[in-house]
Amino acid sequence: DGGITQSPKYLFRKEGQNVTLSCEQNLNHDAMYWYRQDPGQGLRLIYYSQIVNDFQKGDIAEGYSVSREKKESFPLTVTSAQKNPTAFYLCASSIGQGRNEKLFFGSGTQLSVL
Amino acid sequence: AQSVTQLGSHVSVSEGALVLLRCNYSSSVPPYLFWYVQYPNQGLQLLLKYTSAATLVKGINGFEAEFKKSETSFHLTKPSAHMSDAAEYFCAVSDLYNFNKFYFGSGTKLNVKP
Repeated sequence: DGGITQSPKYLFRKEGQNVTLSCEQNLNHDAMYWYRQDPGQGLRLIYYSQIVNDFQKGDIAEGYSVSREKKESFPLTVTSAQKNPTAFYLCASSIGQGRNEKLFFGSGTQLSVL
Repeated sequence: AQSVTQLGSHVSVSEGALVLLRCNYSSSVPPYLFWYVQYPNQGLQLLLKYTSAATLVKGINGFEAEFKKSETSFHLTKPSAHMSDAAEYFCAVSDLYNFNKFYFGSGTKLNVKP
């Protein structure tokens, strides 16, 4: 079945540590996204990528980094510069190519600070 | 940037009663609008999408939404609530100049009482 796989489901970060969240899709989608979800705040865009080897900052990119070396993969690194990383992180993809199509979401990663 | 406002972070209805979840957008030009549903600890799934073809949009699970340009609204309704409808609902809008970018409301949690 086609879809988006996020791993791990739960992740714990120690102070000063960088952690990487994995996102893989087999939908052949061009566009991929990372959202952060905090209770009562909805989804906020961290980074998005419309094509391989290219990505743009979203509204809350500080303290995060991404790469898009392969069409299928869009990993997110939460760096030590992100002082409040505890949140539910959602990866999504869409067909892209300037077409207004729906987002497909993964099942999320819950990141907590030890 | 676009913005989406969802009135009411929590809505409670009895089983069989009408469901009404409110969404207003800020845009001088009618955007593309979406409603997504999220069940606990999962990603989001598309309920329905407005793309200017028709002002009344029917979605999955008996939900529908009506686009009203004069009110800049896109409220979600369902005639008769079911226990399985208990979830969090998000309204979203696509960026006017970049269809690959989306903005989400803060979400409304729907509780269905037996």
